[in-house]
Amino acid sequence: NAGVTQTPKFRVLKTGQSMTLLCAQDMNHEYMYWYRQDPGMGLRLIHYSVGEGTTAKGEVPDGYNVSRLKKQNFLLGLESAAPSQTSVYFCASSGWEVSGANVLTFGAGSRLTVL
Amino acid sequence: AQSVTQLGSHVSVSEGALVLLRCNYSSSVPPYLFWYVQYPNQGLQLLLKYTTGATLVKGINGFEAEFKKSETSFHLTKPSAHMSDAAEYFCAVLYGNNRLAFGKGNQVVVIP
Repeated sequence: NAGVTQTPKFRVLKTGQSMTLLCAQDMNHEYMYWYRQDPGMGLRLIHYSVGEGTTAKGEVPDGYNVSRLKKQNFLLGLESAAPSQTSVYFCASSGWEVSGANVLTFGAGSRLTVL
Repeated sequence: AQSVTQLGSHVSVSEGALVLLRCNYSSSVPPYLFWYVQYPNQGLQLLLKYTTGATLVKGINGFEAEFKKSETSFHLTKPSAHMSDAAEYFCAVLYGNNRLAFGKGNQVVVIP
């Protein structure tokens, strides 16, 4: 019963380096999301996807790109990392509920430090 | 636009005392509201949610929340705090394309 799995859990980058965070879900969910969490800021939505092959910008998309080539995977890319992208990144997914209040299931997080 | 306000980033409560975390929302449509909890170094877990119907919602670990439309509030309570309740709590409102807008969170510290 894996749910939402994020890799890697920890990463240290130098300014200007690139990297990709991988999110995988095994619940056949349509929706997937990437959030970042910073102290005192709550969680802010970076990008999201409403289905395989789709992506859309969230609240704080600058400096990030995403892809959803397969329904179960949602990749978050940093092309040129900046210290301001030091954060904890959470992936989440959700399916459909009869009530319409679709519950998001979160991964354990990926802690990224940019030096 | 939908938004959520949680006041008081840190909340201290004595063991056995009432836990009260306040949440006010802004929504242009009837809201779906959520409380999530985050334990140290973990992801977020659903505590409870409000959709429609009964305005008093019961969740896991003895928590409950009451939806008050007139006050645009969804405050979270627990009658008696336990040491294991130490965590960060987030209120959230659902909006277009099944997205969640989160409040800034309350870090709860339980004092023995």
